[in-house]
Amino acid sequence: EVQLVQSGGGLVQPGGSLRLSCAASGFTFAGSWMSWLRQAPGKGPEWVANVKPDGSETYYVGSVKGRFAISRDNAVNSLYLQMNRLRIEDTAVYYCARDDSGWPDWGQGTLVTVSS
Amino acid sequence: QSALTQPASVSGSLGQSITISCTGTSSDIGRYNHVSWYQQQQPGKAPKLLISAVTKRPSGVSSRFSASKSGNTASLTISGLQPEDEADYYCSSYTSTTVWVFGAGTKLTVL
Repeated sequence: EVQLVQSGGGLVQPGGSLRLSCAASGFTFAGSWMSWLRQAPGKGPEWVANVKPDGSETYYVGSVKGRFAISRDNAVNSLYLQMNRLRIEDTAVYYCARDDSGWPDWGQGTLVTVSS
Repeated sequence: QSALTQPASVSGSLGQSITISCTGTSSDIGRYNHVSWYQQQQPGKAPKLLISAVTKRPSGVSSRFSASKSGNTASLTISGLQPEDEADYYCSSYTSTTVWVFGAGTKLTVL
């Protein structure tokens, strides 16, 4: 059974930083593209970033480029999202997800609230 | 403003069929077969993948869900509407700028 267990998140002031983690099991993590997505209150999902299986390529939505960094450690089957210079509009539930012609498997979600 | 356009709401009676459209451009839906559909039954709960690669239904998804694409528009059809189908539905597509985009979502009401 695929499991994606997230940790991190919480309340942070504008301009602050947070790191999200996602521990994967039940599938070949090192062979899978992985993504972070988010969903702001009352809005639809938004894809944030993804990373190639070997970590050599990363892609981002324009609004987070230069502020967020996706990474992975295949030795411990984990995905990360380092979020810097956070803005109020980054407030959302963040999900890690396995890529496979869409996102068939999602983490449980973690709330990130950016507020002063 | 979302990159993909969906109707805000649709409704149908029990047992009927409905279709939700998702309109993009020649840079996303029109160019790639990386269109997927999601069901979200409650806020805060992760969306569920219903359809991938335009028409493929993952294991465990009811055969009442089907999808297609024509030009820049993708469509999701739900046949034999059931009460548990009442949810928000989202489409998504890969784009030529190497990002993935979603529609704003369609709220389905089962009458």
